Amino acid sequence: DIQMTQSPSTLSASVGDRVTITCRASQSISAWLAWYQQKPGKAPKLLIYDASNLESGVPSRFSGSRSGTEFTLIISSLQPDDFATYYCQQYNTYSVTFGGGTKVEIK
Amino acid sequence: EVQLVQSGAEVKKPGESLRISCKTSGYSFTSYWIGWVRQMPGKGLEWMGIIYPGDSDTRYSPSFLGQVTISVDKSITTAHLQWSNLKASDTAMYYCARVYSSSTKSLDYWGQGTLVTVSS
Repeated sequence: DIQMTQSPSTLSASVGDRVTITCRASQSISAWLAWYQQKPGKAPKLLIYDASNLESGVPSRFSGSRSGTEFTLIISSLQPDDFATYYCQQYNTYSVTFGGGTKVEIK
Repeated sequence: EVQLVQSGAEVKKPGESLRISCKTSGYSFTSYWIGWVRQMPGKGLEWMGIIYPGDSDTRYSPSFLGQVTISVDKSITTAHLQWSNLKASDTAMYYCARVYSSSTKSLDYWGQGTLVTVSS
């Protein structure tokens, strides 16, 4: 299986901060990566697919990028609604795997 | 409107069998893969497998192969996840989700989740 190493596992930030979350794949996955946001007691919500494509209806403060096997989710200006846990997901093959998650907490 | 509505919470004993459901609507059921994702209490997301309702082609994660069965009933546009011999370690929230495409396997619509509790 392809391993996804997500960092940091926890992040403390303030409203208005620029937030960066990283996922590194254990081997090449091209751009086959998505990012999700999950709030307590709720199903995950798709934010970004194919590394950098913003899902319809997702605010433009969210963006994704790729450099080789390293993928980044950026929240340009953190809003109160953004405090949640974020997961990356690789889907290079049918053997899909998720990153371990990043919890974004209020500083 | 695309909707995936999952069956209600279950409490079972070890060794029992269980089937949970994911009723879909608002799109062509046979044209999109459906995936299942496990989330154990306080933990992250785990990919279990996907099924293509058009021909029931099913791909399991190695971790779940032989442990669960994924199926569909096209007549009622519903996907199922089934266990034949539950263990306490199967206690988790289970989500179904629609897969965007066979190449872009992101999950664009999700069910609300089914909580399965296995306890003696």
